[in-house]
Amino acid sequence: EAGVTQFPSHSVIEKGQTVTLRCDPISGHDNLYWYRRVMGKEIKFLLHFVKESKQDESGMPNNRFLAERTGGTYSTLKVQPAELEDSGVYFCASSQPRPGWETQYFGPGTRLLVL
Amino acid sequence: ILNVEQGPQSLHVQEGDSTNFTCSFPSSNFYALHWYRWETAKSPEALFVMTLNGDEKKKGRISATLNTKEGYSYLYIKGSQPEDSATYLCAPYGGATNKLIFGTGTLLAVQP
Repeated sequence: EAGVTQFPSHSVIEKGQTVTLRCDPISGHDNLYWYRRVMGKEIKFLLHFVKESKQDESGMPNNRFLAERTGGTYSTLKVQPAELEDSGVYFCASSQPRPGWETQYFGPGTRLLVL
Repeated sequence: ILNVEQGPQSLHVQEGDSTNFTCSFPSSNFYALHWYRWETAKSPEALFVMTLNGDEKKKGRISATLNTKEGYSYLYIKGSQPEDSATYLCAPYGGATNKLIFGTGTLLAVQP
């Protein structure tokens, strides 16, 4: 079974540009999460999809970030326009459609550097 | 759940040493605790999900215990090997939403 995949693995862009990150969850996982780790800090939650619906987007930093999951399969996270403080590792995770303590399986992350 | 603390921040041990790390979290509204192992440039790997007070889980040389009443969990590695070098992350799960609240992690370096 394929794990969670993310594309690209690395992205270097200039301040003000737009970047779109993609996440393909494990097949059959209705829950999809985005997290971010800024250098030296803890991994922080951004948002949670159940199928195509946003269940919780309380961690989204501001309106420069837009996440979508059309059709309830893969998800994209767009940053527009990017700022220096957006640099970090963006992780995607997915889990089975059960409530509570189900394991969240993580992708390898996209390393974003904004210059 | 607002604050998750892990200690120590980093740890250097010799191959063969046994070691342990701590994770502390608010004990109120506890639902579950996840432990992950993360090597840079790879996916964080799920180690354990713990839910009950007194839970003990084991996976090879790695084991974990949970005390939900006092709000802490220990992760133990017996006979550390260089391949155990990684950042170990704990993440309580509050239950109200599905989001994990991560600690800053413990960076373990095992010298051959």
